[in-house]
Amino acid sequence: DQQVKQNSPSLSVQEGRISILNCDYTNSMFDYFLWYKKYPAEGPTFLISISSIKDKNEDGRFTVFLNKSAKHLSLHIVPSQPGDSAVYFCAGFSGTYKYIFGTGTRLKVLA
Amino acid sequence: NAGVTQTPKFQVLKTGQSMTLQCAQDMNHNSMYWYRQDPGMGLRLIYYSASEGTTDKGEVPNGYNVSRLNKREFSLRLESAAPSQTSVYFCASRGQPLTADTQYFGPGTRLTVL
Repeated sequence: DQQVKQNSPSLSVQEGRISILNCDYTNSMFDYFLWYKKYPAEGPTFLISISSIKDKNEDGRFTVFLNKSAKHLSLHIVPSQPGDSAVYFCAGFSGTYKYIFGTGTRLKVLA
Repeated sequence: NAGVTQTPKFQVLKTGQSMTLQCAQDMNHNSMYWYRQDPGMGLRLIYYSASEGTTDKGEVPNGYNVSRLNKREFSLRLESAAPSQTSVYFCASRGQPLTADTQYFGPGTRLTVL
């Protein structure tokens, strides 16, 4: 049972435009949702998170939206930059330690 | 601070061989994790250690053992490697405050089992 799903394996966006990465989940017990960014040959790095009691969190060019009724979250990057090209993982967090990751979306920002 | 370090970066094993993946963190974190990343599968938790002296199984523990040697070090051992264990392995640590966003990853070990 895949509790966190990222249905788009890849996404290409022009520089300066908006990138929207999507994530769906099935487990209503998640307390937080997180987005991680991963460059090749590096470990994932934390990007932004949102509490399950919020519907929006913004940090500079990055905004995460949470729609609990649809069990859906999205990451918006505005404006997109070539340095944003990476694999993005969403993850749900519950309890005291457990992270469940999605399969990742590879974002390519075209100059 | 080096953060989370992993050795080796790359390893090729033959089926049946054993090896230990090393992980160390210098952030004085209590919690440490081992994940594996496979194409189309995301990151899956192998084992978790909430603190020195404790370990717990994650989603995919079969074929692995772990040792929390001290607060800094958390090793992952493959006793008899199988081709299905070909993967990229990430170690992570988590510190205070124990919020969801305080997990830091190492650079990974790419393991190939022939």
